[in-house]
Amino acid sequence: QVQLQESGPGLVKSSETLSLTCTVSGGSISTYYWSWIRQPPGKGLEWIGYIFYSGSTNYNPSLKSRVTMSIDTSKNHFSLRLTSVTAADTAVYYCARAWIDPVVWDLWGQGTLVTVSS
Amino acid sequence: EIVMTQSPATLSVSPGERATLSCRASQSVSSNLAWYQQKPGQAPRLLIYGASTRATGIPARFSGSGSGTEFTLTISSLQSEDFAIYYCQQYNNWPPLIFGGGTKVEIK
Repeated sequence: QVQLQESGPGLVKSSETLSLTCTVSGGSISTYYWSWIRQPPGKGLEWIGYIFYSGSTNYNPSLKSRVTMSIDTSKNHFSLRLTSVTAADTAVYYCARAWIDPVVWDLWGQGTLVTVSS
Repeated sequence: EIVMTQSPATLSVSPGERATLSCRASQSVSSNLAWYQQKPGQAPRLLIYGASTRATGIPARFSGSGSGTEFTLTISSLQSEDFAIYYCQQYNNWPPLIFGGGTKVEIK
């Protein structure tokens, strides 16, 4: 079955750039919307943005100035870059797939904790 | 900005009993409402979309109802694996994309 796996550094220094990749296995990355969602420890969910398989993107306005998403259909993965991070960006970062609606996610990765250190 | 309010914050239920969770929107979201279940240390899982359509593989004991501003998630007979936090999410009018604050279903 289709699985998603996040990868990237678990520790990022304040003011630097957070970079994560989500690898899709067991199925094609084409035809779906692919999102990044984060959850600070003990808090609720925050959508970061999505990228369509064609490469078009839609970002959360509150993060838009710092977010870039990209997709590589040949490698079946998509990526997140978040610049100028602060402690407020410490969270579990999930990648997720949507097809019912661009922001209704039927498949999630297990999540990866990214801690921003000073 | 639409505000999603879930109640109660915590629901104590005995296994086998019915659980009823509420989600209220500050303005109409039509039927564009999803429910997710999240267990500790795990990613959320989609339960319901379109207010009442069960996602693939979701047991029939989970049902969703409502439209407009008032929504309900019902778990007809709680199983041990159902103790978790449940979030509602509107996707009718975004950004911003708003989740409810969650209802924790705990063992009574």
